[in-house]
Amino acid sequence: ELKVEQNPLFLSMQEGKNYTIYCNYSTTSDRLYWYRQDPGKSLESLFVLLSNGAVKQEGRLMASLDTKARLSTLHITAAVHDLSATYFCAVENLQGAQKLVFGQGTRLTINP
Amino acid sequence: DSGVTQTPKHLITATGQRVTLRCSPRSGDLSVYWYQQSLDQGLQFLIQYYNGEERAKGNILERFSAQQFPDLHSELNLSSLELGDSALYFCASSVAAGSSSYNEQFFGPGTRLTVL
Repeated sequence: ELKVEQNPLFLSMQEGKNYTIYCNYSTTSDRLYWYRQDPGKSLESLFVLLSNGAVKQEGRLMASLDTKARLSTLHITAAVHDLSATYFCAVENLQGAQKLVFGQGTRLTINP
Repeated sequence: DSGVTQTPKHLITATGQRVTLRCSPRSGDLSVYWYQQSLDQGLQFLIQYYNGEERAKGNILERFSAQQFPDLHSELNLSSLELGDSALYFCASSVAAGSSSYNEQFFGPGTRLTVL
């Protein structure tokens, strides 16, 4: 059974700092997605990573995928308050019907 | 705006009741997924339909059922409601059922269900 684990689950940081959220998963997959969720809102797609070594960047966020290590990272550079949200990684299960399995989410709070 | 619509936005009902949540996928998407999000269980996959047929089942209770209609909209039926069913229910859609193409899912705004 595919399991996805994120860490940390809670992250409080100051504006201007850098940090990384980690997403580990338990079985083979080369399709990984990052989503952002604001409180009480829907999930917004951030990145789609489809191969080993894939790297995507958008503004202050950069995501990467290492399929051999079964690890994805979401790196935040020079954080700003607007990035405060909960971030989820989701791994596509390649066996059978291809559902997404989500991590627990990382609640990120960026303080001025 | 993802293009996925869900109604109603909020639903308050009593234990033992039955409710129906509705979802319309993005134009062109054939797959619809239902998820439940609660504080203790996180985001859990419930069920997937592809072009009118059930494709995959997750942690969906027997009291819950879903269907996808010919116009591709989907309904999630929750019956004999319990306090623990209170949660945010999301619908998502994607173009494909999977296999060779990747499966980016686009999420609707959700329906917040409160069972009293």
